[in-house]
Order: sequence, then C-alpha cells, then structure tokens
Amino acid sequence: EAGVTQFPSHSVIEKGQTVTLRCDPISGHDNLYWYRRVMGKEIKFLLHFVKESKQDESGMPNNRFLAERTGGTYSTLKVQPAELEDSGVYFCASSQGAGTGQTFGSGTRLTVV
Amino acid sequence: SQKIEQNSEALNIQEGKTATLTCNYTNYSPAYLQWYRQDPGRGPVFLLLIRENEKEKRKERLKVTFDTTLKQSLFHITASQPADSATYLCALRLYNNNDMRFGAGTRLTVKP
Repeated sequence: EAGVTQFPSHSVIEKGQTVTLRCDPISGHDNLYWYRRVMGKEIKFLLHFVKESKQDESGMPNNRFLAERTGGTYSTLKVQPAELEDSGVYFCASSQGAGTGQTFGSGTRLTVV
Repeated sequence: SQKIEQNSEALNIQEGKTATLTCNYTNYSPAYLQWYRQDPGRGPVFLLLIRENEKEKRKERLKVTFDTTLKQSLFHITASQPADSATYLCALRLYNNNDMRFGAGTRLTVKP
C-alpha cells in the first residue's frame, strides 16, 4: 500500500508570506495527525483529525496556522503569515484507529527567511 | 513539570551486542507508550506499542518493557546489526488526550 505522502518536501519562503503544506494519508485511515519538529527540539503534536472533523487542535501554536481536511481525505496546513520561528520539519501521520501505531510521512522542511 | 527523558543523546555499541535504550517520564499518566525509529531525512517509523497493563512486548529482535511504578520503558535490540543504527524515539499517548508526547530520541550507532 502507498504510505503517507507529504509535499512539498522542502519549502523556503520569506517572512510574511503564506505557505500551504499538503498530506495524503494512507487510504482508509480515518485518523490524521500533524506534528512539528523545530531545530534541536522534540517532535510536538499540532492537531488530530478524525475523518474531516478536528478532534483536537490544542497543539496549534497560534491563529496563523490553519488546518483543513475536506472530505476526510487529504489535509492541508496553511501558515499565514509565516514567521521565522515557524521554521522546522512538519510531519503528517495517519492511523486506522486512534489507539494504534501511526504511519508518518517523510515531512516537509519549512525554512522561513 | 512534565518530562520525557531518553537516557542519552547517543549510544554506541558493537555489532552482535544487545542495545538497551531508556525512556523515563515524570508527571504523566500514559495510556500507552510507543517506540519509533527515525532515519535521517525520514519520518518516524512505528515499531512497538505497549499498554499500561502490559509488562513486556516482543517483536523479532525487539523487546519493550513498561514499568508504570518506575515510570520507565526499556527498549532492547538483541543481536544488533549496523542496519539498526538510527534514532529511536519513545512517545506517550495520554488518557483522554489525542496528542502524543515524544522524547528527544537516542541516536544508536552499531559498529561492525
């Protein structure tokens, strides 16, 4: 089966610009998660979708971040306007059940300059 | 404060030996704990999940223990191989909470 796909793999944008990251989960996985790893820190949870509904977005850093999952398939994470501290690797993961291991994508490395 | 600590940033062992990685946590009540492997430039790969009522789980050369009294999980790789070299992450899933809390990881190097 195809894994979790994220694109772009890399993005370099200027402060103040907008960037949209996309995640295609494994087909049939209702649960979709976004995480972020900033330089030198551990991976941190951002939010969790069950199908198209946001189950928990307690990890979203502020209202410059907007995640959507229209139709319960792929998801997008938009950062608008981007700030320097938003630089890091953004991971998406999916799972069939909420209490099972998650399959991660390779991540999007975002650099804000 | 809440913390997840993995024993060391880096661990070097000789091929064929058993690697033991530690994950300690404070001020958490996890429903279960997971171990992931991460290679450079890739996302974490799920290895094992152990629930709070389980003491031990095995999968091929991997073994995980979970002691909720000590608030510690041990991750063992027996008969280690150079291909086992990677960063290993522990992650806690909390009750009534959707987020997973990750440790910073331990970078394992298995020398031939």
